[in-house]
Amino acid sequence: QKEVEQNSGPLSVPEGAIASLNCTYSDRGSQSFFWYRQYSGKSPELIMSIYSNGDKEDGRFTAQLNKASQYVSLLIRDSQPSDSATYLCAVKRVNKFYFGSGTKLNVKP
Amino acid sequence: ETGVTQSPTHLIKTRGQQVTLRCSSQSGHNTVSWYQQALGQGPQFIFQYYREEENGRGNFPPRFSGLQFPNYSSELNVNALELDDSALYLCASSGSNEQFFGPGTRLTVL
Repeated sequence: QKEVEQNSGPLSVPEGAIASLNCTYSDRGSQSFFWYRQYSGKSPELIMSIYSNGDKEDGRFTAQLNKASQYVSLLIRDSQPSDSATYLCAVKRVNKFYFGSGTKLNVKP
Repeated sequence: ETGVTQSPTHLIKTRGQQVTLRCSSQSGHNTVSWYQQALGQGPQFIFQYYREEENGRGNFPPRFSGLQFPNYSSELNVNALELDDSALYLCASSGSNEQFFGPGTRLTVL
């Protein structure tokens, strides 16, 4: 069983819509949760971190964490073509980070 | 820009050779982690250094080794290169909980 599971996509949404990205993790000992954005040929860029159950909002981005269900999600409101990228979910347990394989998001103009 | 730098940007080696990749961490960060990212995959944790000591290791063979220096910069060394070592190698630095990636080194093994 993989530490972090994501649907590989691609997820296609029209410009202006809400994009919903999901992630599950296997170890209940995971302590911290992160979303990274990675453009093709570039390195991952941290966009959100979340540590406790509930929602955390930052601009157009909202991260949601449900530790009981071992589920993390990222909502992107008012999606723009520039949001088209691969979104990586990462969890931290002790001093190690575990990444999913990423979900590719396409935002169509 | 994260303030994390890596060199070189690209590298081509042949099977059996050795390679050294370098990373300078963000100012104030004392922890450096190295990752291997194959095409279409997420980053895979190789190891982490904290204050010059290895502080955790992923499922990589001993031919992957590293160093951290007093200024918290770091090196990743890979011996006896194999074709499957072709990947993007990422360095990430952290001071507390969040980690920030450098631009990566693209290694091609022929």
